[in-house]
Amino acid sequence: GEDVEQSLFLSVREGDSSVINCTYTDSSSTYLYWYKQEPGAGLQLLTYIFSNMDMKQDQRLTVLLNKKDKHLSLRIADTQTGDSAIYFCAESIGSDYKLSFGAGTTVTVRA
Amino acid sequence: NAGVMQNPRHLVRRRGQEARLRCSPMKGHSHVYWYRQLPEEGLKFMVYLQKENIIDESGMPKERFSAEFPKEGPSILRIQQVVRGDSAAYFCASSPPGTVEAFFGQGTRLTVV
Repeated sequence: GEDVEQSLFLSVREGDSSVINCTYTDSSSTYLYWYKQEPGAGLQLLTYIFSNMDMKQDQRLTVLLNKKDKHLSLRIADTQTGDSAIYFCAESIGSDYKLSFGAGTTVTVRA
Repeated sequence: NAGVMQNPRHLVRRRGQEARLRCSPMKGHSHVYWYRQLPEEGLKFMVYLQKENIIDESGMPKERFSAEFPKEGPSILRIQQVVRGDSAAYFCASSPPGTVEAFFGQGTRLTVV
């Protein structure tokens, strides 16, 4: 398909790990991104990974990239209530500045 | 350093009217990008501007849509003769030169009635 795809909803218990999955379209994408949007706020860049990497870890966040399957995932360890938000996966398409986004995964953290 | 500021946050227009969406980039950012998010879809790239220049407008509809980023003042996305299908959230992002990290505003929700 032509769209970046991600599941729409994820519910996770506080303290558990969250895994958000995404499939992208362009095998030549240079960068892949994860953005977070809290209610009433703009998109906040969480992390990005260069396409020649398989994994990137940043505190509670772990990004895994499978280029063969064009699959990107974001793992949030020890999920907190403040992690409740919409998470967008994005790929650069053709140029580093031009991004194509998925529809977003709404993560709900329950006590 | 204030973030990317977009206004208005919500805009309602009747069919046939004009919509003007404003975006003030972060201080020191000379690159501005506009994206559109239709209901239940991801954000789609529309246009990339630098001061007084349109660098890439490959995502802009061919008619009724225009964008500018003047030497002074905010970037403006202008939609003439709006139709119901223009109802969407319009996001602006900015970045300094030489970086892939774009910072997004809160978006303007346009509703055409």
